[in-house]
Amino acid sequence: SQQGEEDPQALSIQEGENATMNCSYKTSINNLQWYRQNSGRGLVHLILIRSNEREKHSGRLRVTLDTSKKSSSLLITASRAADTASYFCATDPSGNTPLVFGKGTRLSVIA
Amino acid sequence: GAGVSQTPSNKVTEKGKYVELRCDPISGHTALYWYRQSLGQGPEFLIYFQGTGAADDSGLPNDRFFAVRPEGSVSTLKIQRTERGDSAVYLCASSFQADSPLHFGNGTRLTVT
Repeated sequence: SQQGEEDPQALSIQEGENATMNCSYKTSINNLQWYRQNSGRGLVHLILIRSNEREKHSGRLRVTLDTSKKSSSLLITASRAADTASYFCATDPSGNTPLVFGKGTRLSVIA
Repeated sequence: GAGVSQTPSNKVTEKGKYVELRCDPISGHTALYWYRQSLGQGPEFLIYFQGTGAADDSGLPNDRFFAVRPEGSVSTLKIQRTERGDSAVYLCASSFQADSPLHFGNGTRLTVT
């Protein structure tokens, strides 16, 4: 079963624009993570936000978490063509259970 | 050091055959995970090892699927009597401990004809 649901399923933007992807989940979590996957490759960890955190930054990435709404968002600022990939949110329900991934958002950044 | 290594990268087999997929985790990572990913979907959890033992195998779809990690390092996912519906990319990931971020291999693309 997949707990996280990303929205939108696909997103196409021009280089230099910001990209926002959203993730909703169903049960309480210990932390939420975002991963990126280039075509034909494995997933790469981007950022982890714990349930007691509301916002986190890493370079051009900004992640927010609203546990009352059971939702998170990933913002990529000043997007580049190289940001083209699929982005997945994954929830960790208890800290000792496997991550549950959503279906992902396919981002296309057009140069 | 090297990342997570999976072999083979591609495997084509006939329906009914037995296959083994191998995963070499990052050295020192105690947790190892197997996921399966179909086209256009997110990774689906199969099994998780903490050390040598399977801590959670609730994602294995049926008893044709089995995985081992005898020395707490390399893991093998074994699929008996393969079916066309088993075709997918099988991803392995490892982490330093249970609640640490996952490091994924590039996967094994399994095609059952």
